[in-house]
Amino acid sequence: QKEVEQNSGPLSVPEGAIASLNCTYSDRGSQSFFWYRQYSGKSPELIMSIYSNGDKEDGRFTAQLNKASQYVSLLIRDSQPSDSATYLCAVYNQGGKLIFGQGTELSVKP
Amino acid sequence: DAGVTQSPTHLIKTRGQHVTLRCSPISGHKSVSWYQQVLGQGPQFIFQYYEKEERGRGNFPDRFSARQFPNYSSELNVNALLLGDSALYLCASSSTGTDEKLFFGSGTQLSVL
Repeated sequence: QKEVEQNSGPLSVPEGAIASLNCTYSDRGSQSFFWYRQYSGKSPELIMSIYSNGDKEDGRFTAQLNKASQYVSLLIRDSQPSDSATYLCAVYNQGGKLIFGQGTELSVKP
Repeated sequence: DAGVTQSPTHLIKTRGQHVTLRCSPISGHKSVSWYQQVLGQGPQFIFQYYEKEERGRGNFPDRFSARQFPNYSSELNVNALLLGDSALYLCASSSTGTDEKLFFGSGTQLSVL
């Protein structure tokens, strides 16, 4: 079992729709969770962090965390073509390493 | 303020050669982490350094080594290059490296021919 798992996609949504990206992790002791966005040919860019169960909103982005289910998600409201990128879920394991999922490719169609 | 800087941007080597990649963290950050990203995959953890000490090592062979200098900059060295070492090598910095956000440099694209 991979430490952090994501569907690789591609996930295709129309412009203006809500994009929902999901991630599961295996280490029950994990306390810190992050979402990074990576455009093709570029390095990862941090967009959200979440540490407590529940929702955290920042503009059009909402991160959701459920530690009991070992599940993290990212919602992007009013998706724009500029949101088309690969979204990486990252989780600190109890060994103190930040572990990334394989990423979900999102495509927002005009 | 400058972000994380990496050099060189691109590098082409042949099998069996050695390579050194360099990274300067954000000013004030004392922790540097190195990741390897193969096309289509997420970044894979290689090393983390904090205050010049190795804090963690990923599942990479001994051909990979790193160090951190007193000014907190870091080098990643790879010996006896293999074709499979072709990847984007990412450096990230944070204040302490513990449960913190990592900020990435633009990476070094290594091609091994």
